[in-house]
Amino acid sequence: GDSVTQMEGPVTLSEEAFLTINCTYTATGYPSLFWYVQYPGEGLQLLLKATKADDKGSNKGFEATYRKETTSFHLEKGSVQVSDSAVYFCALSNLNQFYFGTGTSLTVIP
Amino acid sequence: NAGVTQTPKFQVLKTGQSMTLQCAQDMNHNSMYWYRQDPGMGLRLIYYSASEGTTDKGEVPNGYNVSRLNKREFSLRLESAAPSQTSVYFCASSERLWAKNEKLFFGSGTQLSVL
Repeated sequence: GDSVTQMEGPVTLSEEAFLTINCTYTATGYPSLFWYVQYPGEGLQLLLKATKADDKGSNKGFEATYRKETTSFHLEKGSVQVSDSAVYFCALSNLNQFYFGTGTSLTVIP
Repeated sequence: NAGVTQTPKFQVLKTGQSMTLQCAQDMNHNSMYWYRQDPGMGLRLIYYSASEGTTDKGEVPNGYNVSRLNKREFSLRLESAAPSQTSVYFCASSERLWAKNEKLFFGSGTQLSVL
């Protein structure tokens, strides 16, 4: 069945460092791909999405490109801030479900 | 803009006790969902409701029941709580069910401990 695999955490970075969180997927057909973010004490909220191959989703300085050839949707940010500390979930949406990865915890230290 | 509201935020139960988690959305969404979040396992779907008056089982429905009371409200009931149900529970909603480009809106979660 469909699934999402994302890199294990936790990840700790210094402020202004470059961030990559890896995400790969298995799916039939042509799913849409998402990154959700969960700040402490809150529910998940959509960060960005891409709906077809080679699409790039972007928001708040974060980017991810839908790579069908490598079945990947890696999240990147060029310069992280303390306020980016959160748990990040990769997800896919297909015809019959949403599938979420296990989440990657990011802590950014000043 | 309330969005999706869940109550309570925290709950401690003893094994065998029952309780109901409440969820309401004010976005006029048709579809609602209950997920549980466990360490290392991501979010798993418990039950969902495509529209008012319908409910269906998700990936992990055992030990739970749901009620779609009206378009706004979707409750989750634990009839006889077990320690394995210790988890964080999230309610979510969307305009349409399983639409590929659909965005989910989540509540802030209920942290449940069963002793």
